[in-house]
Amino acid sequence: DSGVTQTPKHLITATGQRVTLRCSPRSGDLSVYWYQQSLDQGLQFLIQYYNGEERAKGNILERFSAQQFPDLHSELNLSSLELGDSALYFCASSEWDREELSGYTFGSGTRLTVV
Amino acid sequence: SQQGEEDPQALSIQEGENATMNCSYKTSINNLQWYRQNSGRGLVHLILIRSNEREKHSGRLRVTLDTSKKSSSLLITASRAADTASYFCATDTGFQKLVFGTGTRLLVSP
Repeated sequence: DSGVTQTPKHLITATGQRVTLRCSPRSGDLSVYWYQQSLDQGLQFLIQYYNGEERAKGNILERFSAQQFPDLHSELNLSSLELGDSALYFCASSEWDREELSGYTFGSGTRLTVV
Repeated sequence: SQQGEEDPQALSIQEGENATMNCSYKTSINNLQWYRQNSGRGLVHLILIRSNEREKHSGRLRVTLDTSKKSSSLLITASRAADTASYFCATDTGFQKLVFGTGTRLLVSP
């Protein structure tokens, strides 16, 4: 157990639907990152939050949105789903505001299948 | 877009042999990190090397960094079957937003 909790582990939904992925960061980590991993695109950075505020945006589609709540958990909302959105979605967390740089701690991911 | 490109894409060796993976990247970095991913699982942080460091060791892992060539290598010595996984380099270009490479699939056969 890495300390980063992602739910659900698996999700199967139809095209056009909307889903919400949830992430609880490791205790003490203020930064949350979302990544999408697919066979053809590899690991793509989507978005980063730090202590509730958006810090960086990557290749995130307009149909996708995210937020980080006061208790630091984060949600990634995916809407108008398409077949191509099928992928593994990872959440990672880190301590950001420190002198000593550290790596990310990843959750085990949510496997999204759009049918 | 990918910052790092790993080479080779796939590597197959016998237990006890050394495995070397290379990573090239495009822009200046604060640090470079290596991660391991077992099939379909989350990534696990292995080692971090800062831009002002040239070499770092952690157990059976040795990482080198050449910022003039924008490249890094990961050496796993005395490989074990349990080392079978995909290995990714990731570059931190600021704010600890990591950009991952394409990965090397390592297969270690008993």
